[in-house]
Amino acid sequence: QQQVKQSPQSLIVQKGGISIINCAYENTAFDYFPWYQQFPGKGPALLIAIRPDVSEKKEGRFTISFNKSAKQFSLHIMDSQPGDSATYFCAASKYSSASKIIFGSGTRLSIRP
Amino acid sequence: ETGVTQSPTHLIKTRGQQVTLRCSSQSGHNTVSWYQQALGQGPQFIFQYYREEENGRGNFPPRFSGLQFPNYSSELNVNALELDDSALYLCASSTRGTGELFFGEGSRLTVL
Repeated sequence: QQQVKQSPQSLIVQKGGISIINCAYENTAFDYFPWYQQFPGKGPALLIAIRPDVSEKKEGRFTISFNKSAKQFSLHIMDSQPGDSATYFCAASKYSSASKIIFGSGTRLSIRP
Repeated sequence: ETGVTQSPTHLIKTRGQQVTLRCSSQSGHNTVSWYQQALGQGPQFIFQYYREEENGRGNFPPRFSGLQFPNYSSELNVNALELDDSALYLCASSTRGTGELFFGEGSRLTVL
């Protein structure tokens, strides 16, 4: 019940296209769903996060879509840019203990110029 | 605002040795969490410290231990190193009860 499953493992998108990464979770007690971005040689950095009281959250070119009944959520990157090339991790936790976060296995995103 | 800093950045040990990794938390943060990130994998939660006490632990054996100091900095100690302990060890600080983790750049441990 602690797993977070992420797909695809790798993704290549043309500049200006839409990048979509999907995640599924099992533990219905989870109520905090962040996405982290990691560049080579760096630690992960929070990109955007959602609580299950909303079905969508948008920040600039980044959007999280959340489907509570299906226990799935996804990250959409609009107008993808070469600078978005990084590894993206979805994650889940109980907000009250949000430091104990369960991460997905990651998606390596490459944006082709 | 000072970010999370970790030391050393890289180190090489041999099987059976012991290692200590250090972390200075971001200013104003009172909680430190440690994660292990194997190559090509997502970070895995090791444990969390709050007010100098362990406050939650992942699926790691007792040879992984830690400390948090009054200034909220922290150490991760690993005894009897095994080859599979080779990984990037990430420290993250946060404020208790909030969601966002602030990660350092990690300490890359290689066990030969």
